[in-house]
Amino acid sequence: SAVISQKPSRDICQRGTSLTIQCQVDSQVTMMFWYRQQPGQSLTLIATANQGSEATYESGFVIDKFPISRPNLTFSTLTVSNMSPEDSSIYLCSAVRITGYKTEAFFGQGTRLTVV
Amino acid sequence: KQEVTQIPAALSVPEGENLVLNCSFTDSAIYNLQWFRQDPGKGLTSLLLIQSSQREQTSGRLNASLDKSSGRSTLYIAASQPGDSATYLCAVSGGGADGLTFGKGTHLIIQP
Repeated sequence: SAVISQKPSRDICQRGTSLTIQCQVDSQVTMMFWYRQQPGQSLTLIATANQGSEATYESGFVIDKFPISRPNLTFSTLTVSNMSPEDSSIYLCSAVRITGYKTEAFFGQGTRLTVV
Repeated sequence: KQEVTQIPAALSVPEGENLVLNCSFTDSAIYNLQWFRQDPGKGLTSLLLIQSSQREQTSGRLNASLDKSSGRSTLYIAASQPGDSATYLCAVSGGGADGLTFGKGTHLIIQP
């Protein structure tokens, strides 16, 4: 398995500000992803974090709002920009390891964000 | 677009019972299916991974089956315990490099 550390674990932020969430994996992984879990909902994929290049965003998510970096194989950041109360969610980092035919996803503990 | 549905949305049973949680997906062209557990305020813990070529996987008291052609998976929990109380999420991947599409989960409560 892979151990994923996310920081911060929670934060309360003022509207209009930005928050950067860090994700560190304990070993090299093939893919890294960012998800959002809104209150009472399941997880929705935000984007694929690509090493050394721009992230690939899902429909409904844009780079200006959620800039993502992945400078190496084990680290990625997600920034939630110009926050509003609607951005209050849990944000989760995921890493996928592909070994042979097996592809398995692992998740960090998440960052619980409250925007006031 | 892939959609994943989980039934029931919530389940409360006495300790010791055997349970079945259901997951269905609309596009059978999946790469794999994974069952996760989420505890309140926590991240996701991977329980079982089934590759598209597999029919089932077992880990301890958990058994997950996959019927790809009918777009269904079940998670069987034997001899349930209060510690099994959590939300169980089913997720499918369309390819090795793709993210996951999640169901809304089954909120499970095991009564002591």
